[in-house]
Amino acid sequence: AQKITQTQPGMFVQEKEAVTLDCTYDTSDQSYGLFWYKQPSSGEMIFLIYQGSYDEQNATEGRYSLNFQKARKSANLVISASQLGDSAMYFCAMREGASSGGGADGLTFGKGTHLIIQP
Amino acid sequence: GAGVSQSPRYKVAKRGQDVALRCDPISGHVSLFWYQQALGQGPEFLTYFQNEAQLDKSGLPSDRFFAERPEGSVSTLKIQRTQQEDSAVYLCASSLVTRTSGNGYEQYFGPGTRLTVT
Repeated sequence: AQKITQTQPGMFVQEKEAVTLDCTYDTSDQSYGLFWYKQPSSGEMIFLIYQGSYDEQNATEGRYSLNFQKARKSANLVISASQLGDSAMYFCAMREGASSGGGADGLTFGKGTHLIIQP
Repeated sequence: GAGVSQSPRYKVAKRGQDVALRCDPISGHVSLFWYQQALGQGPEFLTYFQNEAQLDKSGLPSDRFFAERPEGSVSTLKIQRTQQEDSAVYLCASSLVTRTSGNGYEQYFGPGTRLTVT
């Protein structure tokens, strides 16, 4: 079973609209972290936002917010007031395991969503 | 300040050749990761270093893949006897802290090396 599922291979959104990128995850760990990265055509992965499994509040970073629904194992990214420069691949990722003594070191990524912002 | 740099940015190798990919992490970063990103896919974890120690190599696809970080800074990913399925972008990432700091530490990625095996 996939650990990170992104069901939207591609999305077209009008500039200035809000957009929600879906992400569901699968883990049996109680302690884990969820990340969103942006990958423009240049190829570099840019960190956007982080949500810890014990965080009670949804994470926000500027125009980015993470809609964390733990019971549904969902961590959707919301981009408000989209801009042309937001066009890129977006990846949801997870790090599993406790903060000490074990746990995966690397991130597990989904297959990504290709977001295109139209003027 | 300088970010993570990788060289070469592009590499074309004939099947059977050995290649070496270099990663210069952000100065002072303890943790270093290698990922492989096939076309149209998300990155997949290959290996992890904490300083010079390779603590996790569970993602290396075969014994043809070898990584080192002898002085705890620059790292090299070596692929021996390259095959067509090795064609991918190889991403390096570094982090200031280690996993004992919790799950939330951010990894800073380099631009990647695009390897094409012909």
